[in-house]
Amino acid sequence: QVQLQQWGAGLLKPSETLSLTCAVYGGSFSGYYWSWIRQPPGKGLEWIGEINHSGSTNYNPSLKSRVTISVDTSKKQFSLKLSSVTAADTAVYYCARGIAAADVYYYYYMDVWGKGTTVTVSS
Amino acid sequence: SSELTQDPAVSVALGQTVRITCQGDSLRSYYASWYQQKPGQAPVLVIYGKNNRPSGIPDRFSGSSSGNTASLTITGAQAEDEADYYCNSRDSSANHLVFGGGTKLTVL
Repeated sequence: QVQLQQWGAGLLKPSETLSLTCAVYGGSFSGYYWSWIRQPPGKGLEWIGEINHSGSTNYNPSLKSRVTISVDTSKKQFSLKLSSVTAADTAVYYCARGIAAADVYYYYYMDVWGKGTTVTVSS
Repeated sequence: SSELTQDPAVSVALGQTVRITCQGDSLRSYYASWYQQKPGQAPVLVIYGKNNRPSGIPDRFSGSSSGNTASLTITGAQAEDEADYYCNSRDSSANHLVFGGGTKLTVL
């Protein structure tokens, strides 16, 4: 059974850089997309970005200037860095495994999620 | 357009059928996936593709799609189905993912 274990600093000051890592246990790293998603308190899910095993990335346009997602295939880990954080970046951050497929239409889904890391930005 | 639109809240009587919808231009090319989220927990995938359920998801959950609208149907809603439900798909560019705003389901 594939599990994702995530960790990182939970309390940041404004202007600092958020850094989180997610490790994949019990399954292959290649052939999947590896995403970061966040959820501000009381709000909905927001996709931050994704990376595949070869290092190809896609980012949410609204966050692209501040986001870097990287991968270490030897450790089966992927990481998120979000620079210049503000209070608006306070959220629970999730990592997730994504799968792309097609039949009549294309489809994409995230079948395994980490437990989430609460990140608070406060001076 | 890169947006997915959901009704903010829906209610259903215990044992009845409820449909939660998700609208967006990208759904003309992509099936939506659906996630259930209970308070304090990570989202859980309940429907993906045309109408596929992951192992462990009850068969009262089903999905469908027509035009720019995807639907999640719960047939015979149970008290434990009370949760927030989110739809998700690639956007029309295929480079980004988008989530709907979420629907809070109340089981009466």
